[in-house]
Amino acid sequence: QVQLVESGGDMVQPGESLRLSCAASGFTFNTYGMHWVRQAPGRGLEWVAFIYYDGGNKYYADSVKGQFTISRDNSRNTLYLQMNSLTAEDTAVYYCAKAGRWPSFDYWGQGTLVTVSS
Amino acid sequence: EIVLTQSPGTLSLSPGERATLSCRASQSVSSTYLAWYQQKPGQAPRLLIYGASSRATGIPDRFSGSGSGTDFTLTISRLESEDFAVYYCQQYGSSQWTFGQGTKVEIK
Repeated sequence: QVQLVESGGDMVQPGESLRLSCAASGFTFNTYGMHWVRQAPGRGLEWVAFIYYDGGNKYYADSVKGQFTISRDNSRNTLYLQMNSLTAEDTAVYYCAKAGRWPSFDYWGQGTLVTVSS
Repeated sequence: EIVLTQSPGTLSLSPGERATLSCRASQSVSSTYLAWYQQKPGQAPRLLIYGASSRATGIPDRFSGSGSGTDFTLTISRLESEDFAVYYCQQYGSSQWTFGQGTKVEIK
């Protein structure tokens, strides 16, 4: 069965960086696009970034463009999100999600919490 | 950017009742690009409907989606206890994915 397990969430200070990981199993990782979606405490869902199956194309929400970088290592079945210059507005649970029937998200991980606070 | 507005914000209903949730887009959305998700407290979202009206794998047939253009609807024909949750619509356009703000379905 499909499993997505995020890790790397932590409490950091404003201006610091963090890298999230998402370990995938149960499907042929290198044939599917992958997303990051976040959810601030008590708020709704916000799409963050998408990467093609081969890493050839990447798309970002305007709110994180130039600040976050999505990448993947198909040899390790792992998705990444490099987050720089973090601010309090980046505090959220970050989910990785598998691209399903375009353009939906058909499987989600359980999320990893990022807290940005001084 | 296409904005999705969901209504009502909260729906208070009893088990066995019918739930009708609305998702309105600020401009026309291809039906192919409209999806619905369910999220329970402390859990990740779950895909219910894709392509505006196709149920995802394992989704009971009491869930149905409809609509086109700027107006889409998620209907739960008879609410069961496990259906009380928050529901989000989602669309895609111009290499951007966006979600509505959510509708909470709560027990009356």
